[in-house]
Amino acid sequence: DAKTTQPPSMDCAEGRAANLPCNHSTISGNEYVYWYRQIHSQGPQYIIHGLKNNETNEMASLIITEDRKSSTLILPHATLRDTAVYYCIAFAKYNFNKFYFGSGTKLNVKP
Amino acid sequence: GAVVSQHPSWVICKSGTSVKIECRSLDFQATTMFWYRQFPKQSLMLMATSNEGSKATYEQGVEKDKFLINHASLTLSTLTVTSAHPEDSSFYICSARETGSSNEQFFGPGTRLTVL
Repeated sequence: DAKTTQPPSMDCAEGRAANLPCNHSTISGNEYVYWYRQIHSQGPQYIIHGLKNNETNEMASLIITEDRKSSTLILPHATLRDTAVYYCIAFAKYNFNKFYFGSGTKLNVKP
Repeated sequence: GAVVSQHPSWVICKSGTSVKIECRSLDFQATTMFWYRQFPKQSLMLMATSNEGSKATYEQGVEKDKFLINHASLTLSTLTVTSAHPEDSSFYICSARETGSSNEQFFGPGTRLTVL
């Protein structure tokens, strides 16, 4: 699986959009980009995933660059409850469906 | 839907004893489940892949005789930490992938193991 790199931490003001970047420059054509988040001492929670096209759901939007070497997770209106560690994972179906987590980004949403 | 539970949520045991952690998919069947370990302020580390009806496959560096995995049904996988030592103290998290469905993994709430 491609390695992903993320900034270790980011701050965001409550109510503003949080834009979390992820670099996956070695991603291959059949690898998806998945995003999960982990609130302190809980199991990870699925947010969104995509392959080539931008995706949006009730939680977030995922913007994938045309060359697929990077992506951005957007939380449109961050709340204090969005404070968590956000993980970007490059996932290949053929690798027995395994997820390998990187170090993630700690998002601090501040009042 | 897609709920995964773990039991117990936390456990304290003495050094040398064995501890069993259960992972259940409550509303779906899961041919494949995964076990992760997470040390404080670190990311999740994949330990092993649990396959229903067959042997688990372990990641490099994970001792299979130390961490016994049994996946006896489509809704239950167990992880037994044998002869636990203080360095085994960690947060153990399981996930499950719904049989025949997408590749999304649903994670349990985790089990905090403390070995004294």
